[in-house]
Amino acid sequence: NAGVTQTPKFRVLKTGQSMTLLCAQDMNHEYMYWYRQDPGMGLRLIHYSVGEGTTAKGEVPDGYNVSRLKKQNFLLGLESAAPSQTSVYFCASSLTQDSSYEQYFGPGTRLTVT
Amino acid sequence: AQKITQTQPGMFVQEKEAVTLDCTYDTSDPSYGLFWYKQPSSGEMIFLIYQGSYDQQNATEGRYSLNFQKARKSANLVISASQLGDSAMYFCAMRQSTGTASKLTFGTGTRLQVTL
Repeated sequence: NAGVTQTPKFRVLKTGQSMTLLCAQDMNHEYMYWYRQDPGMGLRLIHYSVGEGTTAKGEVPDGYNVSRLKKQNFLLGLESAAPSQTSVYFCASSLTQDSSYEQYFGPGTRLTVT
Repeated sequence: AQKITQTQPGMFVQEKEAVTLDCTYDTSDPSYGLFWYKQPSSGEMIFLIYQGSYDQQNATEGRYSLNFQKARKSANLVISASQLGDSAMYFCAMRQSTGTASKLTFGTGTRLQVTL
């Protein structure tokens, strides 16, 4: 099992450009999440999905869109990148919503917007 | 709303000594889970230990133990016999299971430095 993988690992964008981050998991997990990590702020939830075809907003959703067309993939899109979106992005997945189940994290994507 | 507080931005510990990383939480939900994750300089998030709100005993995983004091709403991580490889950021997180898709709420982290 590869677990949770993220593509790309690094990216530099100019303000106004768009891009899509891909998250894939091979554990047949129902729940998937996108977080961003900024210095001194821990991880904050951007969007999440409770199953194929579903998405919902998290704590900091503005400027991002997501899609979950296939159970194993969760895409995070930036339509018009801004310097404030410079961050490290983590994808995670979980088998169920039971609080005893840990979330498995991908290796992260470091995004810089200039 | 749930909240996790880690009041120690940085900690130092000598190799082979024990260290406690503090975590307090706030929630009105009776059912929740508490997690600790380690983030080394390479950046990945590594799950360390879990404690359920209804668990009677403190969780342990090898050199990691969780000092769970429910009345005080604290879930401190204890690392025994520290090793140089324990140098990393440590995050406390809480997950609630009632109709919220079990989102994790993270603290701001504690950077642990293990010295010789």
